[in-house]
Amino acid sequence: QKEVEQDPGPLSVPEGAIVSLNCTYSNSAFQYFMWYRQYSRKGPELLMYTYSSGNKEDGRFTAQVDKSSKYISLFIRDSQPSDSATYLCAMKNRGSTLGRLYFGRGTQLTVWP
Amino acid sequence: DAGVIQSPRHEVTEMGQEVTLRCKPISGHDYLFWYRQTMMRGLELLIYFNNNVPIDDSGMPEDRFSAKMPNASFSTLKIQPSEPRDSAVYFCASSFATSGRASYNEQFFGPGTRLTVL
Repeated sequence: QKEVEQDPGPLSVPEGAIVSLNCTYSNSAFQYFMWYRQYSRKGPELLMYTYSSGNKEDGRFTAQVDKSSKYISLFIRDSQPSDSATYLCAMKNRGSTLGRLYFGRGTQLTVWP
Repeated sequence: DAGVIQSPRHEVTEMGQEVTLRCKPISGHDYLFWYRQTMMRGLELLIYFNNNVPIDDSGMPEDRFSAKMPNASFSTLKIQPSEPRDSAVYFCASSFATSGRASYNEQFFGPGTRLTVL
């Protein structure tokens, strides 16, 4: 079993829909949670990050962490065609000697007009 | 800053040939990572360096793969001999241990090298 599990999709939604992307993990030492966005034929870029449990909102994007369930989510409100990309969750230990991130496989999202 | 630079962007080679991928990290970054991405397995960490020293190479699939970082501004990933199952997109990423998002160690990815082994 991988440390981070993510449904690869693909997920296809109409413009304006609310999108929910999720990851589960098994390592209770993970403290830092991130979402990277990867456009086609590009490298991933950091989209949002959250420490420990709770919610964080940035415009149309909301990241949630539920450490008791080992479950993280990314919500996209009023989705736009420009949101079409692959979304990868990533996690890190607090005590880790920096650097190492554990990535999910990524969920491919298409938002059609 | 130009970001992480990788070359070549595309590589097509025949089975058995040696392949060398190159990476120039962002100036001042002290961590460098090599990843491989496929549809089946997603993004896999192969090896990472801190201050030019390899820290964890447990993701390197086998002895055919080797990586070096001779200085802070250059790294190579070599596959010898290459096999069709090595076909993937290889990413290099770098990060800085004490950036504004220090605890998250944001990784900055290059555009990737798309490798096809025939």
